[in-house]
Amino acid sequence: DQQVKQNSPSLSVQEGRISILNCDYTNSMFDYFLWYKKYPAEGPTFLISISSIKDKNEDGRFTVFLNKSAKHLSLHIVPSQPGDSAVYFCAARRNSGYALNFGKGTSLLVTP
Amino acid sequence: EAGVTQFPSHSVIEKGQTVTLRCDPISGHDNLYWYRRVMGKEIKFLLHFVKESKQDESGMPNNRFLAERTGGTYSTLKVQPAELEDSGVYFCASSPRLAGIHYEQYFGPGTRLTVT
Repeated sequence: DQQVKQNSPSLSVQEGRISILNCDYTNSMFDYFLWYKKYPAEGPTFLISISSIKDKNEDGRFTVFLNKSAKHLSLHIVPSQPGDSAVYFCAARRNSGYALNFGKGTSLLVTP
Repeated sequence: EAGVTQFPSHSVIEKGQTVTLRCDPISGHDNLYWYRRVMGKEIKFLLHFVKESKQDESGMPNNRFLAERTGGTYSTLKVQPAELEDSGVYFCASSPRLAGIHYEQYFGPGTRLTVT
């Protein structure tokens, strides 16, 4: 039973445009959400996070939005750059633990 | 500051053999985690150490997997005997420990295990 879902396996965006990656979750006990970026043959690298008490967190070109009522979060990358091409994982953590629950990832390709 | 390191980067073994994976966390990180990604699936949590103690091992698939963290520094994950379905990439991660503060987990590059 997958509790974090990324329903788009891949996304292609032109350089300079906005990339929007989506994530849905089912467990209402999740209170902390993270996005990780992964290049081939490397481990996931932390990108940005958001606590359930917020609905938006911004860091440079990256913004994460959280809609608790819909159990949905999204990552916006503006403007997208070719170096952003990677697999992006959404992850969530319960308020009672440390284990991260990951989605299957979305492969983003930013074309020049 | 060195990141999380894992050894080996790739291991190919036959079904029934034993393999031991090693993880060195970031210095000073009390929390150490093991995760696994089977091809085409999500990254799944295996277990969590706080120093040398197992805090949560709810993700360990069965008793063929044994994790240790002697002295609260590096950790090993042993698979004995290995089965075909154990193939995948095993990630180790670490994080600091301060009560009430969320810290992201820092991941190593992973060990790709292939069981033939």
